[in-house]
Amino acid sequence: QQPVQSPQAVILREGEDAVINCSSSKALYSVHWYRQKHGEAPVFLMILLKGGEQKGHDKISASFNEKKQQSSLYLTASQLSYSGTYFCGTEGGADGLTFGKGTHLIIQP
Amino acid sequence: NAGVTQTPKFQVLKTGQSMTLQCAQDMNHNSMYWYRQDPGMGLRLIYYSASEGTTDKGEVPNGYNVSRLNKREFSLRLESAAPSQTSVYFCASRGWGGDREKLFFGSGTQLSVL
Repeated sequence: QQPVQSPQAVILREGEDAVINCSSSKALYSVHWYRQKHGEAPVFLMILLKGGEQKGHDKISASFNEKKQQSSLYLTASQLSYSGTYFCGTEGGADGLTFGKGTHLIIQP
Repeated sequence: NAGVTQTPKFQVLKTGQSMTLQCAQDMNHNSMYWYRQDPGMGLRLIYYSASEGTTDKGEVPNGYNVSRLNKREFSLRLESAAPSQTSVYFCASRGWGGDREKLFFGSGTQLSVL
């Protein structure tokens, strides 16, 4: 089953913050986050493994609550380059990595 | 170091024709995946191979077959193409352990079935 992402779309001004949520109905081993620009392949942002952790680099960070089977991606002080579609991917074991439908993020100057 | 290479990049088929999408990786990864991407649907897993010699169905396997030819190559075959299979197809691979578990994607194949 695909994880559920929210919101479906976000429009921000440069410098504003955004949170993208991802939830699953199954117990999770890992959560992945990727960003895709139009016409390109998805690009890896970060992976969070079972154990309930938070990760981050630069102004993008993420948390993983394995008890709630949820993850959130935090983008702070957004830049124009952050525009794109963000996907979370979840994995419960030996069942492959399944992705949500994506969150479209538009950053305006 | 090429990473994940997919061929072809574009393909137009007529309904009922068959074709094979090729994927090869040079990173010595154990796992390989095929996804399709349709507007508003995200990336949906078609088939995956956790290791050489094994393949498993994903979310949308109907109408497709796969072959893990060796550790490097994982092909996707459409035996009788249908318009519903018009999509962008991505192959991906990954290693194991921590950040090595991230997916490396190919550049995609845009397939149109008329």
